Amino acid sequence: AQSVTQLDSQVPVFEEAPVELRCNYSSSVSVYLFWYVQYPNQGLQLLLKYLSGSTLVKGINGFEAEFNKSQTSFHLRKPSVHISDTAEYFCAVKETSGSRLTFGEGTQLTVNP
Amino acid sequence: EAGVAQSPRYKIIEKRQSVAFWCNPISGHATLYWYQQILGQGPKLLIQFQNNGVVDDSQLPKDRFSAERLKGVDSTLKIQPAKLEDSAVYLCASSLGPRLAGTYNEQFFGPGTRLTVL
Repeated sequence: AQSVTQLDSQVPVFEEAPVELRCNYSSSVSVYLFWYVQYPNQGLQLLLKYLSGSTLVKGINGFEAEFNKSQTSFHLRKPSVHISDTAEYFCAVKETSGSRLTFGEGTQLTVNP
Repeated sequence: EAGVAQSPRYKIIEKRQSVAFWCNPISGHATLYWYQQILGQGPKLLIQFQNNGVVDDSQLPKDRFSAERLKGVDSTLKIQPAKLEDSAVYLCASSLGPRLAGTYNEQFFGPGTRLTVL
């Protein structure tokens, strides 16, 4: 069975600072990896995904993530955050042969002026 | 293009009452998902439909939850009777399907229905 651990439940940062949201996964088979963002009272929006190929994946809103198979990690990064990046971020995993997305418990990113 | 529509957006009920949620997926999306998101947790898949057939309902509490997708388009999720622990946001998502091996069809999420059980 697959699982996802998001190591930080809350990450406060100042505007224009860099940020990293950490995600580790567990699976006995090959997986696809995802980061979703959820703004208050809204559904989830896909930020980026890793399916295969280059381990550095670029997404929307200036975010990127790096897949590290040996460390089973998929950390999300942004070099300079904005107030508008304040939201809940979810890491998710799906077995390549399966259909179920398994989400982590989320990281609340709060960007302060 | 219209997104996934859900109604109602908010619902408050007493425990032991019944409640139903409605979802209209993106036009042409064959796969529909219902997720439960309890406060402070990530979404958990309750049920997945491919057209009007059930693909995965292993995490659906079938003694009180039911879902249907008549005609392979709209779907309803029902809880009867509700318990306090059912308080959560219920998210509907849809995607194109079936997918080719090695590809992924993105899931598009609706805004959710926030259920409060008192």
